[in-house]
Order: sequence, then structure tokens, then C-alpha cells
Amino acid sequence: EAGVTQFPSHSVIEKGQTVTLRCDPISGHDNLYWYRRVMGKEIKFLLHFVKESKQDESGMPNNRFLAERTGGTYSTLKVQPAELEDSGVYFCASSQAPQGVEYFGPGTRLTVT
Amino acid sequence: SQQGEEDPQALSIQEGENATMNCSYKTSINNLQWYRQNSGRGLVHLILIRSNEREKHSGRLRVTLDTSKKSSSLLITASRAADTASYFCATAKVGGSEKLVFGKGMKLTVNP
Repeated sequence: EAGVTQFPSHSVIEKGQTVTLRCDPISGHDNLYWYRRVMGKEIKFLLHFVKESKQDESGMPNNRFLAERTGGTYSTLKVQPAELEDSGVYFCASSQAPQGVEYFGPGTRLTVT
Repeated sequence: SQQGEEDPQALSIQEGENATMNCSYKTSINNLQWYRQNSGRGLVHLILIRSNEREKHSGRLRVTLDTSKKSSSLLITASRAADTASYFCATAKVGGSEKLVFGKGMKLTVNP
């Protein structure tokens, strides 16, 4: 069974540009999470989908970040316009049950120059 | 300070030795999970311990949980060079959403 996949693995963009990250969860997992790790800091929660609905988006930093999960399968996280402080590693995770084991993808390393 | 802080921040040991990492947290939790991250890779789930459990084993891993002290420890016995990685504890809060709250992580280096 395939694990959580993320695309791209790396992205380097200039300040002001737009980037879209994609996450494909494990098939059948209704719960999908986005996390972010900024250099030297802890991994922080961004938001949680249950199927196509946003269950909790309390961690989204500001309105430059837009997450979608149309159809309840894969999810995208768009940053527009990107700022320098958005640089970091963006992780996606999925789980079958809430507050259960979350299976993480390899992450997307975003560098904003 | 934040939920889920690992201690020590970095640990270097020789192969065959045991490694103990501690995690403290602040709120009531439903469960606590330990993850490992090898350099440049994603997080790999190691073990989940529920709030009503005190100890759990998985292979060379032993996790304890003391809810009265709001702390957990991860013991890796007979360490191997392949155990070199960053280790994170993460908590799922009681009454909270399903998100995990992570600590900053601890870097373990096992020297061959």
C-alpha cells in the first residue's frame, strides 16, 4: 500500500510568487493534516480536513495560505503571495481515525528567496 | 514554554548503548506519540501510548507515560547506527481537535 506522497519535494520561489503544494493521503484515510516546520522551530499544525471539509484551520498563519481538498481525496496548499518567512518544510499526514496514528509524507521543502 | 518538549536536545552515544529521551507536556492528553525523522525524510510513527497506559513496548523501544508528571520517556535499547535520527514527541489533547502538538525534537547520533 502506498504511503502519503507529497509533491514537489523541493520548491524554490521568489518572494511574491505563488506556490502550490500537493498531498496524496493513504487511500481510505478521511483525515488529512498539514503541518509546517520552520527552520529551528517545532513542527506546527496548520489545518485538518475530514473528507473534503475543513475541521480545524486554527493553525493557518494568514490569508495568504489556502488549502483545499475537493472530492475528499488529495489536498493542495497554496501560498500566494509567498513571503520569506514562509520558508520551511511542509508536511502532510493522514489517518483513518481521529486522534489515531498519523502517517506522514516526506514533506515539501519550500525556500522563498 | 510549549507542549511537548524533548530533553535532551541532542544525544550522542556508541552503538550498543541505550538511549533515553524525555518529553514533557502541559495539558491533559488523550495520547502521546513518538516519531522519528531521518535526515531529509518524513516523520515515521514509532509508538502511541494512551493516557490510561503507563508503559508500552515495541521491539527495542520502550515508552513510559506519567500523566501525574505530564512526562514521557522513550528508551531505545541496544542502539544501532541506523537509529541516528531526530525524535519527536507529539500529544493529542483532551477535548481538542485531532491535531498533534509537537516538540522541537531531539537529535540522536549513534556512533558505530
